[in-house]
Amino acid sequence: DGGITQSPKYLFRKEGQNVTLSCEQNLNHDAMYWYRQDPGQGLRLIYYSQIVNDFQKGDIAEGYSVSREKKESFPLTVTSAQKNPTAFYLCASTQGGTSSGNTIYFGEGSWLTVV
Amino acid sequence: GNSVTQMEGPVTLSEEAFLTINCTYTATGYPSLFWYVQYPGEGLQLLLKATKADDKGSNKGFEATYRKETTSFHLEKGSVQVSDSAVYFCALSDGYGGSQGNLIFGKGTKLSVKP
Repeated sequence: DGGITQSPKYLFRKEGQNVTLSCEQNLNHDAMYWYRQDPGQGLRLIYYSQIVNDFQKGDIAEGYSVSREKKESFPLTVTSAQKNPTAFYLCASTQGGTSSGNTIYFGEGSWLTVV
Repeated sequence: GNSVTQMEGPVTLSEEAFLTINCTYTATGYPSLFWYVQYPGEGLQLLLKATKADDKGSNKGFEATYRKETTSFHLEKGSVQVSDSAVYFCALSDGYGGSQGNLIFGKGTKLSVKP
């Protein structure tokens, strides 16, 4: 079945450690996104990529990094510079962007907790 | 800037009650509007959408009409079920982000339906 796969589902990070969240899609979508979800805050855009080898910062990119070496993959690295990384992270993708009403599809999310 | 405001929850209803979750937006141009639903521990799923004024999106008994004059996209359902318990997000596509459009989300409204 086509979809978006995020891994791991749960991840614990120690202080000062970098961690990488995986996102893979087999929908042949050009655009991919990373959102962060905090309780009562809705979703905030971290990074997005419209095409392979290109990506742009979202609203809260500080302390995060991404790469887009393959169309189907868009990993997110949470670096030690991110001071409050505990959150639920959602990866998404869409074909052709959302401005014309195209549906954005989400993965099931990854919970990151700092210990 | 563009924004989405939705009613704060939680909203608690009895089964078969009528549901309204208010959503208003601020945007330049003509955004597309969406409602997403998030069940516990999962990612977001598209519930319905509308791409132009006076369009009505509908799915699974839920409806929302794109009202440009009141800049609103209120979600309604005539008779809720326990299985509708979830968090509901209103969102708009602002048409920016490399002209592909990124989604701007409201903070979400948690709905609990009691039997």
